Amino acid sequence: SSELTQDPAVSVALGQTVTITCQGDSLRTYHASWYQQKPGQAPVLVIYGKNSRPSGIPDRFSGSSSGNTASLTITGAQAEDEADYYCNSRDTSGNHLVFGGGTKLTVL
Amino acid sequence: QVQLQESGPGLVKPSQTLSLTCTVSGGSISSGGYYWNWIRQHPGKGLEWIGYIYYSGSTYYNPSLKSRVTISVDTSKNQFSLKLSSGTAADTAVYYCARLSRRGYDSFDYWGQGTLVTVSS
Repeated sequence: SSELTQDPAVSVALGQTVTITCQGDSLRTYHASWYQQKPGQAPVLVIYGKNSRPSGIPDRFSGSSSGNTASLTITGAQAEDEADYYCNSRDTSGNHLVFGGGTKLTVL
Repeated sequence: QVQLQESGPGLVKPSQTLSLTCTVSGGSISSGGYYWNWIRQHPGKGLEWIGYIYYSGSTYYNPSLKSRVTISVDTSKNQFSLKLSSGTAADTAVYYCARLSRRGYDSFDYWGQGTLVTVSS
């Protein structure tokens, strides 16, 4: 399968915790990476591997995985976290890459 | 600090070939463990992986675009390029170049700012 499925939209109250999920058969074999994209900007890597953050990414961002589902959790969401979030991984062949459809996060 | 910059025509006529170049600075395109990608985003839509090239010249393409895509690399100029033939309005999108790191786990760790390409007469 070459598909990664995300919920189109999620909302969270300011300061609360939110989890964004990504489902796909390939996630049983390959780790997902996660990208934050704000309007008019290029995507930014926020989580990769088991649960690694690039330098400069706040530690309120974390990642996990179980079975065919990868998750991105924001603990204590801030107004600046409002953005689109995309997961990415290899497809089941291992040769190609695929993005999830994206989740629009609204911070209330 | 690695930087990527896309360049190329912003307007392409239908049936013509879309051509873009990505110039890499702050690092060598010939460094092992890094793959050089093209990714696009249709207006208001999600990200679509187009394909990648390794400095040796090996390539992988999105199966849905494979018949029309060619990605090439010029290590002497630290550049890689995209050609997408037989353009249609459906190819109108923001095109990003990005570095895929496979030193450990896969991650697109550096991106260009993106360039809008419109296919229209």
